[in-house]
This record gives sequence, C-alpha cells and structure tokens, in this order.
Amino acid sequence: DVKVTQSSRYLVKRTGEKVFLECVQDMDHENMFWYRQDPGLGLRLIYFSYDVKMKEKGDIPEGYSVSREKKERFSLILESASTNQTSMYLCASSGPSVRGSYGYTFGSGTRLTVV
Amino acid sequence: QQQVKQSPQSLIVQKGGISIINCAYENTAFDYFPWYQQFPGKGPALLIAIRPDVSEKKEGRFTISFNKSAKQFSLHIMDSQPGDSATYFCAASSFSTNAGKSTFGDGTTLTVKP
Repeated sequence: DVKVTQSSRYLVKRTGEKVFLECVQDMDHENMFWYRQDPGLGLRLIYFSYDVKMKEKGDIPEGYSVSREKKERFSLILESASTNQTSMYLCASSGPSVRGSYGYTFGSGTRLTVV
Repeated sequence: QQQVKQSPQSLIVQKGGISIINCAYENTAFDYFPWYQQFPGKGPALLIAIRPDVSEKKEGRFTISFNKSAKQFSLHIMDSQPGDSATYFCAASSFSTNAGKSTFGDGTTLTVKP
C-alpha cells in the first residue's frame, strides 16, 4: 500500500525553537508539497518541490524553509517557531499513478502546537 | 485571488439523499480536477478526478459533473450515508506544468443524518 509518512502526529514546541517536520514517500513521486490547514482557511501551500534539491515558494512561505536532499524525503523547517504557526501540517506527493491520475497522496498530518 | 471557489461551506443531508457540492475555477489552463475526502484527524484522500475532455465521471455512488464552458464542476454523492460525513475539497491543477500543483477550494463539511 503506497503511502506518505509524516514522522510525528503531534508535536509541542516552545516559541523560538527550530522545528523539523519530516515527510517520506514510497511512490517514487517527483513532486512533494507542504500545506498547513487551519479552520476556515482551507489548505494553504507553504512550499513545494518538483525534483531533488529543487524548491518553490507557495502562498505562505514566510517563516518556513524546506529541504529535499533525497527524492523520497521532504522536510519542512520552522526557523524560529511562533504561536501563529500552531496548525495542522500536511505533506503530500504526486506523480503518475496506476490509476492514470496525478492526484495527491497526503500524509496523516502533524498537529503542531507552539507554546 | 482565489482561483477555485467552493460551495456550500457546509451541507446537511438525510441518509439516502443526494449531496451536491459545487466548484468554479478561473484559470483556463487547469486540466485536472480532483476531489478529496477528509475525515477528522486524517489527511485528505483522493476520491475521484476528471479531465476536461469528458463531461461526467462516475465511481460507485460518486459522480463528477464537469462544465467546461461555465468553468464549473460538481461532486454528486448518491444515496448518501452517515459514513460519508467528512470534509470534501475540490481542486484544480495543470497536469503538465508547475509540478501539478493543485489549487484547492476551501472545503465543504458534509453531515449525513441517519
């Protein structure tokens, strides 16, 4: 069963900490994405990557950075965590599938609380 | 600028009824239109998707209707069941450009009453 795995389901961090959220996919997908999901605001794209070592800013990149050193792994970094970064973080990957689709496969999410 | 507008924000349907969620897009370069289903505490999961060369796609109780000229597409859930209660997101992307990056609607919370 193909999947996207996020390393933590729940995280609690202190303001000012550097936070790493890890995401691994086993589908050999080219494209990987990081979104945050907040009530009433839907899914907002933070960063995406279409190849190893390649990255593009999404709609809300401020306060975040990413790393993609290997095709299967895409990390989101909060340089100095702030309370307004408390959110659900979703990683996704996409690529041609056996269904012929190009849809996203999402991870289960990491609920981050910054105190 | 929101490129995909989804309505309604919430929807309550009786068991056995039809649930209809609508989306409209602006960018004519979009050529792939998926719907995702999300249960509480889970990530969204791809439910069904359509390309603009067809006007309708059906998978079980779920149907996408697509109107290219109106730039609208909708999800119909036939014989809605309490287990269908979830949040549904429409999305649109350009299949061949921009890493297939999807633009999402804001989501519709569906409640199916027994």
